[in-house]
Amino acid sequence: QVQLQESGPGLVKPSETLSLTCTVSGDSMSPYYWSWIRQPPGKGLEWIGNIYYSGSTNYNPSLQSRVTISVDTSKIQFSLKLNSVTAADTAVYYCARGRAYGGNSVRSFDYWGQGTVVTVSS
Amino acid sequence: QSALTQPASVSGSPGQSITISCTGTSSDVGGYNYVSWYQQHPGKAPKLMIYDVSNRPSGVSNRFSGSKSGNTASLTISGLQAEDEADYYCSSYTSSSGVVFGGGAKLTVL
Repeated sequence: QVQLQESGPGLVKPSETLSLTCTVSGDSMSPYYWSWIRQPPGKGLEWIGNIYYSGSTNYNPSLQSRVTISVDTSKIQFSLKLNSVTAADTAVYYCARGRAYGGNSVRSFDYWGQGTVVTVSS
Repeated sequence: QSALTQPASVSGSPGQSITISCTGTSSDVGGYNYVSWYQQHPGKAPKLMIYDVSNRPSGVSNRFSGSKSGNTASLTISGLQAEDEADYYCSSYTSSSGVVFGGGAKLTVL
């Protein structure tokens, strides 16, 4: 059974960098995509970006200038960095496994972490 | 990329069927058969219910079905049960190699 677990600070100051890590267990990182998705309080889901196990990335155009996703297959982890955060970045952040079903497009997210709350406040 | 359009709320009585719509554009829903649906109970992570428009992952009840016509995808839940009460989100692959979600629909079982 694949499990994902997010970790990182729950409180980040405005203008600083939000950093989260997702640890994967129960399977290898290949040949899957690995994704970050967030959900502001009381709102819907927002895709942040994907990274393929080999390292290629795709980001949400609205966040692209502030986001970096990286992968460490030796540690079976992938990470999110979001810089210059504001209160609008306050959300539950989920990591998830993206499925391409043999293609090269993420078509669904089949396993999710439990989510971690990140609050941006001074 | 703009969020896909879903009704804010839908409701039905136990045993009935309901349908939730998800409207996008030719750059996402209409352009690819890569629509997924997720169920989210309060305080929980989303759960994949449908992928590639109409495919159910192993373990998902056959009461859940999906379809698509043009730029609009639909999720139908038949034989409504109390445990189906949750938020439902659609998502689609986009022409910019990304993913876009719908705004979510809250299902109330009366």
